[in-house]
Amino acid sequence: ETGVTQSPTHLIKTRGQQVTLRCSSQSGHNTVSWYQQALGQGPQFIFQYYREEENGRGNFPPRFSGLQFPNYSSELNVNALELDDSALYLCASSLGDRGETQYFGPGTRLLVL
Amino acid sequence: GDSVTQMEGPVTLSEEAFLTINCTYTATGYPSLFWYVQYPGEGLQLLLKATKADDKGSNKGFEATYRKETTSFHLEKGSVQVSDSAVYFCALIAGSARQLTFGSGTQLTVLP
Repeated sequence: ETGVTQSPTHLIKTRGQQVTLRCSSQSGHNTVSWYQQALGQGPQFIFQYYREEENGRGNFPPRFSGLQFPNYSSELNVNALELDDSALYLCASSLGDRGETQYFGPGTRLLVL
Repeated sequence: GDSVTQMEGPVTLSEEAFLTINCTYTATGYPSLFWYVQYPGEGLQLLLKATKADDKGSNKGFEATYRKETTSFHLEKGSVQVSDSAVYFCALIAGSARQLTFGSGTQLTVLP
């Protein structure tokens, strides 16, 4: 069974740029959730995709957007990067769209200069 | 809204000491409760979970019991090892919610 994978592992961008992060879900899982973890804090929910549709969104602005593909992999896109977007971005996969156990990938560490 | 309150860290223990990390929650309905662990530079790993009152989750010597009457899910281990040094997060999914709500995390350092 393949676990959740994310790419890239690290990324450096400058303010105003755009970034795309990628996630492959665990085998058999059809739901992907994205979280932002600032340094020294707990993860904050960005949004969830279930069967290629956005299925819930946290308190993040529209410049955070995403996609889910037919193979259930997913992308997180962030436009007009701000310094505060520097964080660890975590992807989690699960089976089903409500209350299921979520399994996390290793994360992508984004630094915005 | 839903929330999780964790014991403030950091916590420093000697090897073989007893560990307790307190976690209390506020949620609508009957949440599922989780402990995740994050080793330095890594993502989150599921440590254990409990889905209904009085359930005990356990894994790798760690245990936590879902206490509905006190809305708590304290993490315990009888004898910690240096390799247990990490950040521990308590989290919940409430009812039909889609997302995990996390506590702020507790940094544990175990000294040899």
